[in-house]
Amino acid sequence: QVQLQESGPGLVKPSETLSLTCTVSGGSVSSSDYYWSWIRQPPGKGLEWIGYIYFSGSTNYNPSLRSRLTMSVDTSKNQFSLKLSSVTAADTAVYYCARDLVVAAHGWFDPWGQGILVSVSS
Amino acid sequence: DIVMTQSPDFLAVSLGERATINCKSSQSVLYSSNNKNFLVWYQQKPGQPPKLLINWASTRASGVPDRFSGSGSGTVFTLTISSLQAEDVAVYYCQQYYGTPPTFGGGTKVEIK
Repeated sequence: QVQLQESGPGLVKPSETLSLTCTVSGGSVSSSDYYWSWIRQPPGKGLEWIGYIYFSGSTNYNPSLRSRLTMSVDTSKNQFSLKLSSVTAADTAVYYCARDLVVAAHGWFDPWGQGILVSVSS
Repeated sequence: DIVMTQSPDFLAVSLGERATINCKSSQSVLYSSNNKNFLVWYQQKPGQPPKLLINWASTRASGVPDRFSGSGSGTVFTLTISSLQAEDVAVYYCQQYYGTPPTFGGGTKVEIK
């Protein structure tokens, strides 16, 4: 079955750029049936959708983060990536990657990666 | 953004008893062209990612026990666990996928009484 795995630094300094990669196994990021999303969860809090990328490279970002976000996809490596610039302590969270079924503007997220805790601190 | 409001925040239920979680959306998530509600439920256990339980408001995902059921339409939805088991201790979230951005409820923590 499809599995997703996040990777990247667990600690980022304030004002710097958070960079994460999600590696997909058991399936292809080139599938036209899915978007590939990032979702985050601050410690002890709820879930916030960050944005998605499609295999074509088209993106859809949460307006609350749009000005700081860049997503990309590498079909040759079956990976997609997230860059969030100018981070602050408010960006400290567990970051999940997830497959997002193309139903309409969005679908549901299934499966999810295990998540990676990224702390923003000097 | 569509705001999703869950209640209660916390629920303690005896083993074998029914647990009911509510979710309200700030606007309808019923898509008129297919008469389907664009709402899902997830279960999140400590230290784990959310797991899909229910899609289209009432369709159980593959492998989900039939003690989990979803109901509702438009703006009011319910997740019911008919007979709570120890392994059901978790936080449950609703999420709408009708509009962008997709948004989640604040979560309901279910524990054993």
